[in-house]
Amino acid sequence: QVQLQESGPGLAKPSETLSLTCTVSDGSISTYYWSWIRQPPGKGLEWIGYVYNSGSTNYNPSLKSRVSISLQSRVTISLDTSKSQFSLKMSSVTAADTAVYYCARVSRGIHLSYYYYYMDVWGKGTTVTVSS
Amino acid sequence: SYELTQPPSVSVSPGQTANITCSGDRLGANYVSWYQQKPGQSPLLVIFQDSKRPSGIPERFSASNSGVTATLTISGAQGMDEADYYCEAWDSNIGVFGGGTKLTVL
Repeated sequence: QVQLQESGPGLAKPSETLSLTCTVSDGSISTYYWSWIRQPPGKGLEWIGYVYNSGSTNYNPSLKSRVSISLQSRVTISLDTSKSQFSLKMSSVTAADTAVYYCARVSRGIHLSYYYYYMDVWGKGTTVTVSS
Repeated sequence: SYELTQPPSVSVSPGQTANITCSGDRLGANYVSWYQQKPGQSPLLVIFQDSKRPSGIPERFSASNSGVTATLTISGAQGMDEADYYCEAWDSNIGVFGGGTKLTVL
């Protein structure tokens, strides 16, 4: 059974960039979609985004730049197939970004012309605290 | 933005049936997944594609999607089923979670 392991600093300073990596234990990274999800203390799950081997990405529209009126996302998710890893970068972090961050494998199917997605393998999660 | 609404809490006695609902627009065009999360643990997929159970999930977990409301049903709920449950759907290639429902079995 494939395993996912998150890694990265547990502390980030406000306004800096948070960087996390998820390592996939088998060679399937080119086959699936991969997502990041986070959970603030005592709160629910929030989907951050996904990456696919084709380079395709998509992000939660709520994670937009706080610095300007630009619609540019604060989030970048990328894939390194040579290392069997995918990564999350989130810029301009604040205390509101303090959370447990999970990586997950996304499986996709199609039924009656509709695609369906589900996250069937999850990492154990890593806690990130944003504080000066 | 797309939203899924769940009741904050549901309580049942052991052996009873627990129903957890998830409502949202366009549920008829979006397949729903359900995740169980126990304290200190990662979420666990218990239902995908509206009603399918992954290998290893007990048969007492079932689910349906009427197009307006998705429902997770736990038949004969046990103490080990006490957890937070989240529905999730993908709309326009974006994942969305419901706010979560705390299931208490006592």
